Parts: sequence; structure tokens; C-alpha cells
Amino acid sequence: DARVTQTPRHKVTEMGQEVTMRCQPILGHNTVFWYRQTMMQGLELLAYFRNRAPLDDSGMPKDRFSAEMPDATLATLKIQPSEPRDSAVYFCASGKRDRGDQPQHFGDGTRLSIL
Amino acid sequence: QQQVKQSPQSLIVQKGGISIINCAYENTAFDYFPWYQQFPGKGPALLIAIRPDVSEKKEGRFTISFNKSAKQFSLHIMDSQPGDSATYFCAASKETSGSRLTFGEGTQLTVNP
Repeated sequence: DARVTQTPRHKVTEMGQEVTMRCQPILGHNTVFWYRQTMMQGLELLAYFRNRAPLDDSGMPKDRFSAEMPDATLATLKIQPSEPRDSAVYFCASGKRDRGDQPQHFGDGTRLSIL
Repeated sequence: QQQVKQSPQSLIVQKGGISIINCAYENTAFDYFPWYQQFPGKGPALLIAIRPDVSEKKEGRFTISFNKSAKQFSLHIMDSQPGDSATYFCAASKETSGSRLTFGEGTQLTVNP
């Protein structure tokens, strides 16, 4: 089965450190999404890309977060500097444009804890 | 206008019973209504989705019922099984604009053996 792969699965670091999360979307999927899940806010869209171009990153705090797709097989989400309030599970999802710009397959997430 | 309200927050059903989860939306421009299933430690998985041109969609034991005039849609799980125990999220968006999905708060379903 094709799947979205995220690394690392878990990350614990101290506040102020840079955090990089990586995602390998399903081959052939041309839309990629980054979501954050917390108990308080639920699932929030941070950014999404179509054909590697960022289309919407309005959900992302621009001063510390950045999202890129250096190539079609890799998406990255960086936090610098990290803060305790960034602790959450971060999901990457991918989809195909011909199925609408919607996340069809999610990875298993990166559980991030900022101390 | 962007909210999707989901109920109940948690649900306990006996094996073989029917699980029903409800969602209500406000934005009449929404035209895509998916349901996601999430197991602990895993990402959400797209379960079933409906568009407003139909009132019902069935896939196996899972059925979405859609009421456009009431701006409500629901997920029915027939013959619920312990393996269905998970958190279920409804969502809505205006698909053609490529806009973001608005998720409901989630329903934690427990199916007792």
C-alpha cells in the first residue's frame, strides 16, 4: 500500500532549538498538506502545496514556521526557534489534484514536545 | 461561517449496534463533506465523502446522510464492531476553490464486545 511517510515520529527538544520535520508524499500525488493536531484546537491546516508551489500558508506563524518542497518527493516543515506552545502532533497529507485539493492520505505524524 | 459542529463528543455502542455521529455546518458554500477515521498514534484516514448533489452515500457498513436544507450531515456505522473504535472527524470545504477543510471537533467511538 502506498503511504505518506513522516520523520521523525517523535521529537523532544528544548525551547529555542530548530526543529525540522520531513514528509515523503505518495508518489504521483501533487498536493501536500501540513496539519497540526492538539487537544485544544483539533486539526488545523498550516500550509498546503500544489505541484510544489505553496498555495496557502495562512495558518502558519510566519515568524517561526517555514514550509518548503525542495522536490516532489520531499516536504519539510521547520520551526525556528521552537516554543513550548508548538508541542503537538504534526501531520503531513497528500492528494491528487484530480480528486480535488483535499488531503486523501495522512502520514502517522510527528509527535513534537518542546520543553 | 466556517464552523463545523460535531456531536456527540463520545459514543459507546454495543457490538452489532448502529453508531450515529452528526455534524452541522454554517457556510452554504461548502460542497464537499468527508469523514475521517483516526486510530491512536495514527493519522486520520479518509473514510467516505459526499457532495451535496446526493442525499446519501453508502460504502460497506458506512453511510453518510446529507440534509442540505438543514445544513447537516451524519455518519452511520451499521453492525458496529470493536475494530471500529476510533475517533471520527467530519469536515467540510468548498472544494473547487481549493480552500482548507474545516474539521469538526471529533467523536470518540467505543464499540464494546
